[in-house]
Amino acid sequence: GIQVEQSPPDLILQEGANSTLRCNFSDSVNNLQWFHQNPWGQLINLFYIPSGTKQNGRLSATTVATERYSLLYISSSQTTDSGVYFCAVAQGGSEKLVFGKGTKLTVNP
Amino acid sequence: NAGVTQTPKFQVLKTGQSMTLQCAQDMNHEYMSWYRQDPGMGLRLIHYSVGAGITDQGEVPNGYNVSRSTTEDFPLRLLSAAPSQTSVYFCASSSGLRLSGNTIYFGEGSWLTVV
Repeated sequence: GIQVEQSPPDLILQEGANSTLRCNFSDSVNNLQWFHQNPWGQLINLFYIPSGTKQNGRLSATTVATERYSLLYISSSQTTDSGVYFCAVAQGGSEKLVFGKGTKLTVNP
Repeated sequence: NAGVTQTPKFQVLKTGQSMTLQCAQDMNHEYMSWYRQDPGMGLRLIHYSVGAGITDQGEVPNGYNVSRSTTEDFPLRLLSAAPSQTSVYFCASSSGLRLSGNTIYFGEGSWLTVV
């Protein structure tokens, strides 16, 4: 099956810093989503982005489908951005969403 | 709109006991799924359903049963709990992953400990 690798596994930032999280996948996909899991365990969908670029406030994401990677940018990070960021993909015709192992982000005040 | 509702939120079981995790959604979604989350492993798909009466296995189905008698409900059954099933379980729903633009929505999770 498809493999999803996220990097870095851990990231520690000072408030106000910018960061880039990466998601590599091993095959073509028709569905790619980014999620944020807050420290209380709640999973929130950030972006549906199988290709192209999207922005939502301080967060933006870019997926280069032909090169099989996606990037999540966080600008001017805040302590509330802390948590784990997951990338998840599904291949064409599949109803199985496969998750990476996540990037744990800690933003210190 | 409640979204995806899971019950119970916390449960402790003894090895060999059975139990059912309940999941309900009020968004009229055809697609529902169960994931388990273990430390350092991300989320792994247990079972999923693309509509009432249709279920299929995910990555880690052993030890779990599901059924989908209605669009709204997708219960997960542990037939004989084992310590290896200690985990956090998430139910999710979507209009369908194959359809462009459809995101997936998660419940708040169920923390299960098997002793």
